[in-house]
Amino acid sequence: TQLLEQSPQFLSIQEGENLTVYCNSSSVFSSLQWYRQEPGEGPVLLVTVVTGGEVKKLKRLTFQFGDARKDSSLHITAAQPGDTGLYLCAGPGSRSNTGKLIFGQGTTLQVKP
Amino acid sequence: DADVTQTPRNRITKTGKRIMLECSQTKGHDRMYWYRQDPGLGLRLIYYSFDVKDINKGEISDGYSVSRQAQAKFSLSLESAIPNQTALYFCATSARLGVSGANVLTFGAGSRLTVL
Repeated sequence: TQLLEQSPQFLSIQEGENLTVYCNSSSVFSSLQWYRQEPGEGPVLLVTVVTGGEVKKLKRLTFQFGDARKDSSLHITAAQPGDTGLYLCAGPGSRSNTGKLIFGQGTTLQVKP
Repeated sequence: DADVTQTPRNRITKTGKRIMLECSQTKGHDRMYWYRQDPGLGLRLIYYSFDVKDINKGEISDGYSVSRQAQAKFSLSLESAIPNQTALYFCATSARLGVSGANVLTFGAGSRLTVL
């Protein structure tokens, strides 16, 4: 069974601090995605990483896909209150042509002003 | 209007009642999904559909049923609700997979169901 484990599960920091969220698996994934979910809303895609070792940047957010394609990280520089939310990593299930995604349990981030 | 609309947004019901959650989309996507979200458990797939005639069970389908009335409509039913079905339910859509195989989901805003 493919599993995605996220750490930490909860993170409360002050505005301006840096943080990293991890998404790990013992399985190889053809791609991994990161979503952000705000209260009262559904998850929204932030990025998809496809190539092992790939690094993508989205303003203050940096996403990395591990060389072996078993893990990914999300680094936020100088966090702001607007970054508060639930961050979810997701990857295709074992039969990837079904389009099903497996989700990690999520990391709840709170950025205090 | 939202690309994926879920109704109702909130519902409180009693054990044993039949509940239907509805989802409609304007994305023109073939694939539709129902997920359940519980704190600390992430999102778990209940059912998914590739087109009107193709319905598939997800990892936690027991106690649920679905109907794909049209390409744009996918409803989730709880025939006899029980308290452990209290959760936040999300409908999502996706297009056919691209060359990379990366599947991108567009989610609705969620339906919060409480079963007393």
